[in-house]
Amino acid sequence: KNEVEQSPQNLTAQEGEFITINCSYSVGISALHWLQQHPGGGIVSLFMLSSGKKKHGRLIATINIQEKHSSLHITASHPRDSAVYICAGNSGGSNYKLTFGKGTLLTVNP
Amino acid sequence: NAGVTQTPKFQVLKTGQSMTLQCAQDMNHEYMSWYRQDPGMGLRLIHYSVGAGITDQGEVPNGYNVSRSTTEDFPLRLLSAAPSQTSVYFCASSTGPGAGRRGYTFGSGTRLTVV
Repeated sequence: KNEVEQSPQNLTAQEGEFITINCSYSVGISALHWLQQHPGGGIVSLFMLSSGKKKHGRLIATINIQEKHSSLHITASHPRDSAVYICAGNSGGSNYKLTFGKGTLLTVNP
Repeated sequence: NAGVTQTPKFQVLKTGQSMTLQCAQDMNHEYMSWYRQDPGMGLRLIHYSVGAGITDQGEVPNGYNVSRSTTEDFPLRLLSAAPSQTSVYFCASSTGPGAGRRGYTFGSGTRLTVV
């Protein structure tokens, strides 16, 4: 069974700090997704990656296939980054089903 | 704007009532799926479809029915609503692996309360 675990569950930071959220996943998952959900809001897909590193603005996502581990980094954090960040995995190929972590609630204080 | 459209945004049902949650996408995505989100549980897959005429069960399919008669639409039917189905429901679509930077597009969600 595919499994995805995130840490930490909750994270509080001061504006400007560098943030790291971690995700570990089980054998069988070949693509990792990072999602963002603001309180009461919809879900936005940030990244999909199966190797290496991707960057978009202040967000960076990395994945280590050998260690089955991915990280989401936020540089120069801002209060508008406050949200739940969710990692999800799928096994690729023709199987598009996602297995989700339980999310990390990030609060960035001004 | 291109994307996934879910309706309604909010719904209150009485136990035993039936209803259909609508999901439509205009991106010609092959893959569509329904998830429910409950506190402490994360998102769980209800049903999914890899193309018109093809559907399959996910992790929590009981009490829900789906069909995919067109590429664009993927409605979710609650056959006889129960309080345990109180949740936030999300529809998502994708072209699958290699879909680009993001992979999945989510609808804005439907908050359903069953009393």
